[in-house]
Amino acid sequence: QVVLMQSGPEVKEPGASVKISCQVSDDTFFKSYMTWVRQAPGQGLEWMGWISPKNGDRNFAPRVQDRVSLTTDTYTKTVYMELRDLRYNDTAVYYCARGTRLSWLGPWGPGTLVTVSS
Amino acid sequence: QSALTQPASVSGSPGQSVTIPCTGTSNDIGSVHNSVSWYQQYPGQAPRLILFDVDIRPSGVSARFSGSKSVNTASLTISDLQAADEADYYCCSFTRIVLFGGGTKVTVL
Repeated sequence: QVVLMQSGPEVKEPGASVKISCQVSDDTFFKSYMTWVRQAPGQGLEWMGWISPKNGDRNFAPRVQDRVSLTTDTYTKTVYMELRDLRYNDTAVYYCARGTRLSWLGPWGPGTLVTVSS
Repeated sequence: QSALTQPASVSGSPGQSVTIPCTGTSNDIGSVHNSVSWYQQYPGQAPRLILFDVDIRPSGVSARFSGSKSVNTASLTISDLQAADEADYYCCSFTRIVLFGGGTKVTVL
């Protein structure tokens, strides 16, 4: 059963950048659309973007596309999400999820809490 | 594109059925290229896939969860409601763009 493991919590000041990771336990990584979704405290799910480790194809939500980057390390089966110019309303739990056929998301990682605070 | 529209909350007594609608547009839910999925989330936990491609249950998901779609609206029905079903539920439209509904809190009375 595939497992997604995410890096630990982060605390950053406004204007800084954060880079968080998500490692996939098996080779389904290469057939997936690795997707990032965030959830602000008490709020719903917000899609941020996805990347295909197979060919590098990627797509981002318009709201964050100017500040987010997605990269992969195929040797460690890890995807990285970097968010720049952090704002207070970027405080959220950030989830990675394995996307299949641009159709559905599962399983999900446990989430990484990013807190933006001065 | 705007988020998909779900009611903020629904409730039902044990044993009853509840249905959660998810309304979009012809560009997402109503598109022939679209795939609809549903996720269950308990407080403090990551979401879990419970339906994909409108009405297909992954292995291990109870048959009490079912899905349907008509034009621009997808629906999740929970039959024989149980205490363990009390959670937040999110619909999702997945093409090259991913849209989520605002989430529906299911309360078991």
